[in-house]
Amino acid sequence: GDSVTQMEGPVTLSEEAFLTINCTYTATGYPSLFWYVQYPGEGLQLLLKATKADDKGSNKGFEATYRKETTSFHLEKGSVQVSDSAVYFCALRGGETSGSRLTFGEGTQLTVNP
Amino acid sequence: EPEVTQTPSHQVTQMGQEVILRCVPISNHLYFYWYRQILGQKVEFLVSFYNNEISEKSEIFDDQFSVERPDGSNFTLKIRSTKLEDSAMYFCASRATGGWPQETQYFGPGTRLLVL
Repeated sequence: GDSVTQMEGPVTLSEEAFLTINCTYTATGYPSLFWYVQYPGEGLQLLLKATKADDKGSNKGFEATYRKETTSFHLEKGSVQVSDSAVYFCALRGGETSGSRLTFGEGTQLTVNP
Repeated sequence: EPEVTQTPSHQVTQMGQEVILRCVPISNHLYFYWYRQILGQKVEFLVSFYNNEISEKSEIFDDQFSVERPDGSNFTLKIRSTKLEDSAMYFCASRATGGWPQETQYFGPGTRLLVL
């Protein structure tokens, strides 16, 4: 079945550092890919998404490119801020015949220090 | 901005008791979901609901679980006889209708359930 694997956390960075959180997936068909973020005490918020190969999702300085050849959707940000401290979840929604459930990765805790 | 709300935020119950977790989806959404996250584990899909019936469920969603849309605004998850292993954060989500793959699921803040 579908699965998502994220890099192990937690990740601790200094402000203005470059961020990469790796995400790889296994799915049949042509999944849609998502990054969700969970700030302390809040629910999961959609950060960005990509629905087909080579699409780049971007939001709030974060980017991720749907790479079908490497089955990856790595999250990047050029300069992190303290306010980016949160848990980041990579997720996929399977192809058209796979229902609409989301399959999540383990989540990566990011802490950004001033 | 419209948002999904969930009540209660925390619930403590005794093993064997029934619990009902409540969700108010975004008002024009028609697809509803429950997910859960056991501490330290992945967020897992439980069930999806559309047009007053379950459209998909996972192997976790056994006979102890049920969902209902009792009125035009609420969506509930009932656990009939809670077990220790039901302790988790439960997330509700909703989405609008729309062609695949454009739809996005919007999540509530979660209910933390602790079974003693």
